[in-house]
Amino acid sequence: AQSVTQLGSHVSVSEGALVLLRCNYSSSVPPYLFWYVQYPNQGLQLLLKYTSAATLVKGINGFEAEFKKSETSFHLTKPSAHMSDAAEYFCAVSEDGANNLFFGTGTRLTVIP
Amino acid sequence: ETGVTQTPRHLVMGMTNKKSLKCEQHLGHNAMYWYKQSAKKPLELMFVYNFKEQTENNSVPSRFSPECPNSSHLFLHLHTLQPEDSALYLCASSHLGLAEPYNEQFFGPGTRLTVL
Repeated sequence: AQSVTQLGSHVSVSEGALVLLRCNYSSSVPPYLFWYVQYPNQGLQLLLKYTSAATLVKGINGFEAEFKKSETSFHLTKPSAHMSDAAEYFCAVSEDGANNLFFGTGTRLTVIP
Repeated sequence: ETGVTQTPRHLVMGMTNKKSLKCEQHLGHNAMYWYKQSAKKPLELMFVYNFKEQTENNSVPSRFSPECPNSSHLFLHLHTLQPEDSALYLCASSHLGLAEPYNEQFFGPGTRLTVL
């Protein structure tokens, strides 16, 4: 069975500080992994995805994530937080890479001026 | 209109009402999805339609009834809902093809449903 655990439902960082959002997955086969962002009153937008190519994946808005098989992790990072990064972030896993996405419970990121 | 649109954006209904949520995708995709987003819970996949055929129903109660008349439109018909059905209902679409192992799901803004 596939699942995702996001540690920390709320994360606060100062503007300009490092952003680190944690995601650990469980999958019986090599997974596809995703990070989505949801701004208030909007749907989810894909930030980046891992599909078994490079283990370090770069996404939009300066975010990146590293796939670590030994740790079953896919943590999201950004070197310097911006006020516009305040949103909710969801990690998701898929074994078939097509229809079936399994989401974590999300992490709300607050950026302090 | 571009992307995935959903109407209405907000809906308040009583437990005896019948209402419908509408989703339209303007991306030429061939798969559409309904998700339920409740506070402090993971997004729950409810239904999947591939090429207008339902391929997934994740044990959703029969008071939720999906309809996909064509590859661009998806409806969720609601009747005799319960207060615990109050949530954000998200629609998504993607293109399933043979060339890629995965095709991104594009989400609409959602319908905020409140059941009184």
